[in-house]
Amino acid sequence: GAVVSQHPSWVICKSGTSVKIECRSLDFQATTMFWYRQFPKQSLMLMATSNEGSKATYEQGVEKDKFLINHASLTLSTLTVTSAHPEDSSFYICSVLPGEETQYFGPGTRLLVL
Amino acid sequence: DAKTTQPNSMESNEEEPVHLPCNHSTISGTDYIHWYRQLPSQGPEYVIHGLTSNVNNRMASLAIAEDRKSSTLILHRATLRDAAVYYCIQYSGAGSYQLTFGKGTKLSVIP
Repeated sequence: GAVVSQHPSWVICKSGTSVKIECRSLDFQATTMFWYRQFPKQSLMLMATSNEGSKATYEQGVEKDKFLINHASLTLSTLTVTSAHPEDSSFYICSVLPGEETQYFGPGTRLLVL
Repeated sequence: DAKTTQPNSMESNEEEPVHLPCNHSTISGTDYIHWYRQLPSQGPEYVIHGLTSNVNNRMASLAIAEDRKSSTLILHRATLRDAAVYYCIQYSGAGSYQLTFGKGTKLSVIP
């Protein structure tokens, strides 16, 4: 399977600041990456589909101006949470799609906004 | 919305087999059945997937009903490291390649 890393693994920030989360595909070139969000004791919710070289596709209810996604290379996608607020505190997880059947997930980034 | 239903939780004794059920009554002929698991504070991990035939890999076995409306994930010998939330996902594949996660089954393994 594919190896995916995320950085940072956890981050604490003040309300109103922006936070960038990186997702890297370490052993293959990922045309498509996905970003999920998971609140405590809930399941994963897909936020957006990130496509290399083009604009991300956001799920209904996810603000594209607040959650900026950049997929500038085949091995790196970034999610920037702009003007973060306490309600944005969550576990953010990315995944890659090596083929057409299976996604491989990163270890997740835990964001706490004070 | 997730198209599968699973029990909220299950328990198993260590080193005994575990059968995790999943219902997917609306599955179409081209939908795959995928299983992922998520250990605490980690990203999900791929376990196994299948279409019609039963499947085996080093982690688990997947038994798919003949009418494909249900399936069972089988862990042959549960270990403490298998304690996780197990997600059964009906996956259409071609097109969006999106996974829709339900609530999953929280498996507890008793030493």
